[in-house]
Amino acid sequence: QVHLVESGGGVVQPGRSLRLSCAASGFSFSTYAVQWVRQAPGKGLEWVAVILYDGSTKYYADSVKGRFTISRDYSKNTVSLQMNSLRVEDTAVYYCARSSGALYFDYWGQGVRVTVSS
Amino acid sequence: DIQMTQSPSSVSASVGDRVTITCRASQSISNWLAWYQQKPGMAPKLLIYGASSLRSGVPSRFSGSGSGADFTLTISSLQPEDFATYYCQQANTFPRTFGQGTRLEIK
Repeated sequence: QVHLVESGGGVVQPGRSLRLSCAASGFSFSTYAVQWVRQAPGKGLEWVAVILYDGSTKYYADSVKGRFTISRDYSKNTVSLQMNSLRVEDTAVYYCARSSGALYFDYWGQGVRVTVSS
Repeated sequence: DIQMTQSPSSVSASVGDRVTITCRASQSISNWLAWYQQKPGMAPKLLIYGASSLRSGVPSRFSGSGSGADFTLTISSLQPEDFATYYCQQANTFPRTFGQGTRLEIK
């Protein structure tokens, strides 16, 4: 059974850093891309970043480029999102999602809340 | 970036009604489109991919159509569990982009 579990959220001041993790199980981790999608309070879905199965191909939304870094650990079946220089507008629930060919999001985690506030 | 525009933003309907939601891309995306359903406090769920392919386990009352820049999601006979927010998403290029969502409410 495919399972994705996010962790690492919390409350942080603007300008600080936070690292989110996505623990994957129930599928062949090395053959799927993993993506992060966020949802600000009361708003729609915003794509954040993707890391392909190879671990070296990555893409980012312009809103986070240069501040966020996505990575994956094949020994632990985890994907991380390092978020630096956080802004108030980064406040959202962050979801990780499995993605075949980096196209569609077929399985999602339950989400983790990140609040950036002074 | 490809902009995805959904209409309507919200719709009220009754159980048993047929509902259609449209999604328009700012440029052609062939059939690289998906539809998701999200209920309050929950993660989205994939319903349709490739514009018209029904994901396994999704009820057949859901259907998708379209290609190029114009797409539709149709629910043939609304059930109580279908009241939720629906999003389209393009997979033609990065960055991936979503429509703003369509809230389906009970009349």
